[in-house]
Amino acid sequence: DSGVTQTPKHLITATGQRVTLRCSPRSGDLSVYWYQQSLDQGLQFLIQYYNGEERAKGNILERFSAQQFPDLHSELNLSSLELGDSALYFCASSVGAGGIIETQYFGPGTRLLVL
Amino acid sequence: QQQVKQSPQSLIVQKGGISIINCAYENTAFDYFPWYQQFPGKGPALLIAIRPDVSEKKEGRFTISFNKSAKQFSLHIMDSQPGDSATYFCAASGSPGAGSYQLTFGKGTKLSVIP
Repeated sequence: DSGVTQTPKHLITATGQRVTLRCSPRSGDLSVYWYQQSLDQGLQFLIQYYNGEERAKGNILERFSAQQFPDLHSELNLSSLELGDSALYFCASSVGAGGIIETQYFGPGTRLLVL
Repeated sequence: QQQVKQSPQSLIVQKGGISIINCAYENTAFDYFPWYQQFPGKGPALLIAIRPDVSEKKEGRFTISFNKSAKQFSLHIMDSQPGDSATYFCAASGSPGAGSYQLTFGKGTKLSVIP
């Protein structure tokens, strides 16, 4: 168990809808990273937050947004969902800002199915 | 776009054999190369990592070989066991100057170790 928790574990929704995925980092970790894992694209970095502020952005669509709250948990909001958004969404956390080499600890993921 | 190319896509090895997974990268700014192991239904977990100042790193049955001039690195699993059956991802990450150690992943290798 990595210590990173994600809810829900599974999510089934329809095209055009909006969902929110939640992540709680390991105790003491200040950075949260979001990744999307799909069969064709593999694991892709979406966005990183450090201590409440956006730190780095990857291949995140404009329909997607994230935030990190004062208690350090993070939420990933996916809107106007399309069939192609069906994927596993992972959250990872690390101790600092990522400015030095740090291990990222991954949560168990949220499996999103858009019908 | 930064890429990490991983091969093979799948690998079947007999128990006791050596499993070898290869990765190649393009961006010379990468300076941290972790390997992650993922079991079905779980998030990726750090297995072993290397920096380019060494050519090899060994931890138990797992060894990373690194060739900086060829921009290639590989994972060797000695005495492969059925419990090693999982998907393995190589990854690469940039220097602190980039502001974030976001990970760029290869597409994964599904390893099956048969008795």
